[in-house]
Formats: sequence, structure tokens, C-alpha cells
Amino acid sequence: EAEVAQSPRYKITEKSQAVAFWCDPISGHATLYWYRQILGQGPELLVQFQDESVVDDSQLPKDRFSAERLKGVDSTLKIQPAELGDSAMYLCASSLGSELAGNEQFFGPGTRLTVL
Amino acid sequence: SQKIEQNSEALNIQEGKTATLTCNYTNYSPAYLQWYRQDPGRGPVFLLLIRENEKEKRKERLKVTFDTTLKQSLFHITASQPADSATYLCALDGTGGYNKLIFGAGTRLAVHP
Repeated sequence: EAEVAQSPRYKITEKSQAVAFWCDPISGHATLYWYRQILGQGPELLVQFQDESVVDDSQLPKDRFSAERLKGVDSTLKIQPAELGDSAMYLCASSLGSELAGNEQFFGPGTRLTVL
Repeated sequence: SQKIEQNSEALNIQEGKTATLTCNYTNYSPAYLQWYRQDPGRGPVFLLLIRENEKEKRKERLKVTFDTTLKQSLFHITASQPADSATYLCALDGTGGYNKLIFGAGTRLAVHP
């Protein structure tokens, strides 16, 4: 069964360092999402791509976070510089992106980031 | 702004009983609502979708209701099993963004043998 791949699974870094997360969505999925989930809370959307275009980055802290999906397939989320408050689980998800609203989202295993 | 509320306290039930989880929302009229299951340290897994014109949806031991007047969805697991223990997330379609979801904080369910 096709799955969303993410790496690394765990990342420990010191504040002010740069970190990068990678996501490979399910083949054929046009829509890709990056979420941040703080322990005890639900996932919060950071950025959403439709193919290679950003369709929503309203909650992305653009002074330190960046995301790209250059060929409309895999994606990278970067944080520079990392801050203590960035410690969280970073989840990638993908969906078909068809015109039918409500496509289920398929999530990857996430990257657990700890900033020291 | 849109607000989603799920029971913050864990729900503890005995095996074989029906678990009922609640999702309330305000300041919005979503076109659909989704429920996901999340196990510790893993990504959420889609369970069910219900649209605004549907009152009830079933899948095996799962049942979801959607009351747009009360602005509430109920999620039921019948004949619960210890393997059903997890956090259950409610998600509503968000404004703007294509197929964007707004998630609740989730309710942790513990099914005891």
C-alpha cells in the first residue's frame, strides 16, 4: 500500500541552527500539506501546495520557515534559525487534489523535532 | 474565527461498550467534516467523512452523525476493543485553501479489558 514518506524521523538541534525536513507524497497526489503538531494539540496547517504552487501559507512563520515543492512531487520544509518553541512533530500529508471537496488526507509518520 | 472543541479529558470505557466522542464547532458552517485516528508518535489516519447534507455515516463498527443546527458531530465506536485505544481527531474544511482542514485537539480514548 502506498504511503507518505518523511525523513528524518527524529531531529535534535540547537537553537539558531538550520533544520530541513523532507516529504515524498503518494504518487499521483497533487496536493501536499505540511502541518505542525504540538503535544496535546491537533495538527496546524503550515503550508499547502497544489502541484508546485503554494495555495495557502497564511500560518507559516515566513521570517524563519520556508517550503518548496519544485517539481510538484517531493517537498522540503526548512527552519532557519530554529527556536526553542519550534519543538514539535512536523507532519506531511497528501491528497488526490481532485475537484471533489473533502479528499481524505494521507499522513506520513512525521518528524519529531527537539530544539535545545 | 473558526473554533473546534473536542473533549479534552480522556474517555475511559470498558471493552464491549459503545464509545461516543463529541466535536463542537462555532463561527462556521463547514461543507464536510472528517474524523481521524492518531496513535502515539504516528501520523493521523483517516476514518470517515460526512458532508453537510448527510445526517449519518457508518463504516463497520464506526458511526458518525452531523447536526448542522447544533453545530455538532458525534463519533461512535460500537463493541469497543482495547485496540481502539487512541486519540480521535475531528477536522472541518477550512475557508480559503483547496481542501484545507482545521483540526480539533482530539480526544484520547482508552478501552479497558
